[in-house]
Amino acid sequence: DARVTQTPRHKVTEMGQEVTMRCQPILGHNTVFWYRQTMMQGLELLAYFRNRAPLDDSGMPKDRFSAEMPDATLATLKIQPSEPRDSAVYFCASGLSEETQYFGPGTRLLVL
Amino acid sequence: GNSVTQMEGPVTLSEEAFLTINCTYTATGYPSLFWYVQYPGEGLQLLLKATKADDKGSNKGFEATYRKETTSFHLEKGSVQVSDSAVYFCALSGTTDSWGKFQFGAGTQVVVTP
Repeated sequence: DARVTQTPRHKVTEMGQEVTMRCQPILGHNTVFWYRQTMMQGLELLAYFRNRAPLDDSGMPKDRFSAEMPDATLATLKIQPSEPRDSAVYFCASGLSEETQYFGPGTRLLVL
Repeated sequence: GNSVTQMEGPVTLSEEAFLTINCTYTATGYPSLFWYVQYPGEGLQLLLKATKADDKGSNKGFEATYRKETTSFHLEKGSVQVSDSAVYFCALSGTTDSWGKFQFGAGTQVVVTP
């Protein structure tokens, strides 16, 4: 049963620290998405990759957030420096082009 | 641009009651439509989908029919269980300008009481 995996599942850090979240997409999927979920804003798309190339990161605060895919089995989302308003659940999802997206379990981030 | 509008929650109902969650959309082209479900502490899971007009998606007793004339994709279940308590998201994808991105609704929380 193929699944998207995310690490860490939980992260507590202090304001100003760097945070790196990792995602392993389902083998063979060529699209990867990063979402942020909060009570106030709901589910927001941060970044979108196809075949490891970034197609859209307009939803991401560029000054502190960065998203990369070093290889087909790893996607990373980095926040530097982190701020309390970044506290949220971050989801990675993968899929095959315009077909169904499969979500990981999320990384629950708390910035103090 | 594309958008999805869902009825606001929470929707609270008793076990074995009938559930309807309304979803309407605005999109260019011919989108595929989806319902995702999120249980507490988990990621979103695909519940059902429909890829063209008049298609009916179904899974686990849930159904939704793609209505192009009313741009709607309402979710229904005839008899809910406590285990159906979750947040339900309507979404669309596959329009000519979306590049495969999904547009999600705000989510509707459903609470089923024994």
